[in-house]
Amino acid sequence: KAGVTQTPRYLIKTRGQQVTLSCSPISGHRSVSWYQQTPGQGLQFLFEYFSETQRNKGNFPGRFSGRQFSNSRSEMNVSTLELGDSALYLCASSPQQGGNEQFFGPGTRLTVL
Amino acid sequence: KQEVTQIPAALSVPEGENLVLNCSFTDSAIYNLQWFRQDPGKGLTSLLLIQSSQREQTSGRLNASLDKSSGRSTLYIAASQPGDSATYLCAVRSMYNNNDMRFGAGTRLTVKP
Repeated sequence: KAGVTQTPRYLIKTRGQQVTLSCSPISGHRSVSWYQQTPGQGLQFLFEYFSETQRNKGNFPGRFSGRQFSNSRSEMNVSTLELGDSALYLCASSPQQGGNEQFFGPGTRLTVL
Repeated sequence: KQEVTQIPAALSVPEGENLVLNCSFTDSAIYNLQWFRQDPGKGLTSLLLIQSSQREQTSGRLNASLDKSSGRSTLYIAASQPGDSATYLCAVRSMYNNNDMRFGAGTRLTVKP
């Protein structure tokens, strides 16, 4: 079974631009969660999607948004990029919403100049 | 609010040594606890998942224990190898707050040949 895939793997943007990251979960998994990882703040939860609906949201500004499609693939969007948005963005999938084991993708490294 | 702490932040051991990594959490109302491994610049690899009703889980040279009442988990690595060098993270899934998942800052392990 293929693992979680994320595209692109690396991205360089400038301040003020917007970016869209993509995540394809493990086949059959219906829940997708997004995390931001930085050296200073560690791993922080962004949001969780299940059945095309956002089920849970972390403490991030509205510039961070996401969606999930009927095939469970998910995208997250960051608008009006700031230097502090530079991070590794990780996506995780699990079979159902809530307490299942999570499986992570390789991440997208976003650099904002 | 759940706080997850991992001690030590970094650990260096000679090859062959047995070692213990520690994870503590402030709220015992957890659904499960998951240990991950992260190699530099990569995503997270799930190592062990312990449900709240379980006391321990084992996989190969790894053994994870959970003491919910004291808010502690340990990851025991037997006969360490240089390939075990990585950052080890624990994550706690809350029973409430939409099963919010909180991560520790990790322990960076170096196993010297």
